[in-house]
Amino acid sequence: GNSVTQMEGPVTLSEEAFLTINCTYTATGYPSLFWYVQYPGEGLQLLLKATKADDKGSNKGFEATYRKETTSFHLEKGSVQVSDSAVYFCVPSGGYNKLIFGAGTRLAVHP
Amino acid sequence: TAGITQAPTSQILAAGRSMTLRCTQDMRHNAMYWYRQDLGLGLRLIHYSNTAGTTGKGEVPDGYSVSRANTDDFPLTLASAVPSQTSVYFCASSALAGNYNEQFFGPGTRLTVL
Repeated sequence: GNSVTQMEGPVTLSEEAFLTINCTYTATGYPSLFWYVQYPGEGLQLLLKATKADDKGSNKGFEATYRKETTSFHLEKGSVQVSDSAVYFCVPSGGYNKLIFGAGTRLAVHP
Repeated sequence: TAGITQAPTSQILAAGRSMTLRCTQDMRHNAMYWYRQDLGLGLRLIHYSNTAGTTGKGEVPDGYSVSRANTDDFPLTLASAVPSQTSVYFCASSALAGNYNEQFFGPGTRLTVL
């Protein structure tokens, strides 16, 4: 079945640093790919998505490109802020109506 | 818009007792889901409903039941709670069932079973 691997956290950065959170997946067929973010004490919310190869999803300064050849969907942001501190989930679809969640990567940004 | 509301926010429950976690959405979404989130395990799907009147089992359905009498509501019932059901429970919905549709999440219910 489909699965996802994310870099283990926590990732600790200073404000304005460059962020990369690596994500690779295994899948049969062509999954849709999502990044969800969970701020402290809240539910998950969609950050960005890509539904086919070479698509780039972007939102709030975050970007990720659907790389079918490397089965990756790495999340990047050029300059992080303290308010970006959260847990980030790379989520491939796992068949009809199913999303595959891993443990997520916790990001802590310090002033 | 409220989106998805869940109640209660948190609950402490004695083992063996029953409880229903409530979930309501106002987006007229067809599909709804229940997940549990445990430390280090991410989210796991408990039950889902592709449309009102239908339900299906997810990855970890044992000990839980759901119903979908109408579009807006999707309650999750624990008939006889056990400590391993201590978790944070999230309800979610999507406009349609399928691979491409964003799921919207509620704020969660933190349940402790003693």
